[in-house]
Amino acid sequence: QLQLQESGPGLVKPSETLSLTCTVSSGSISGISHYWGWIRQPPGKGLEWIANIYDSGSTYYNPSLERRVTVSVDTSKNQFSLKLNSVTAADTAVYYCARGSSGIPYWGQGTLVTVSS
Amino acid sequence: QSVLTQPPSASGTPGQRVTISCSGSSSNIGGHTLNWYQQLPGTAPKLLIHNNNQRPSGVPDRFSGSKSGTSASLAISGLQSEDEADYYCAAWDDSLNGYVFGTGTKVTVL
Repeated sequence: QLQLQESGPGLVKPSETLSLTCTVSSGSISGISHYWGWIRQPPGKGLEWIANIYDSGSTYYNPSLERRVTVSVDTSKNQFSLKLNSVTAADTAVYYCARGSSGIPYWGQGTLVTVSS
Repeated sequence: QSVLTQPPSASGTPGQRVTISCSGSSSNIGGHTLNWYQQLPGTAPKLLIHNNNQRPSGVPDRFSGSKSGTSASLAISGLQSEDEADYYCAAWDDSLNGYVFGTGTKVTVL
């Protein structure tokens, strides 16, 4: 069973860069039948899609975050990453990494990132 | 603000049928497949329905999805206490060129 695990700092200062990594286990990160993505959920609020990255290298970003977001894949480490720069308190959320195909059947457990000085 | 609109809450007694609506437009529901997710408190979302009406392996057949035009619905038949959760619809949106989630519906089992 494919497993995803987010890792990264739980606390980031305002104006700095939030960096998270998702490690994929029990499966290869390569493959054209699926994509890798990031979703976040502010405390007490709904889900917000952040970005997708495909095996071809194509990326799609939420227009509201596009100027600040970068996603990438490291096939040698079976990992993919999220970078969100110039963070503010509004970026405080649980961040999920995920693998999608028809819908998103695989999710990490999520990691809370708090933006605070 | 999400482009997919859901009622904020729904409720029912055990055994009842509960239906959750999801309203969108031609750029999302009208042109793409619709997925539903269940999020139990404190856990990651779980794919409940994909491709409008397909249940992944392990999802009880009490859950069913349908789509018509620019709207969709999720039905829970024989409501059980463990169904108390937040439910989200989601689809690709051509106008945003991205994936959009609905506003979410909290289901309460009375």
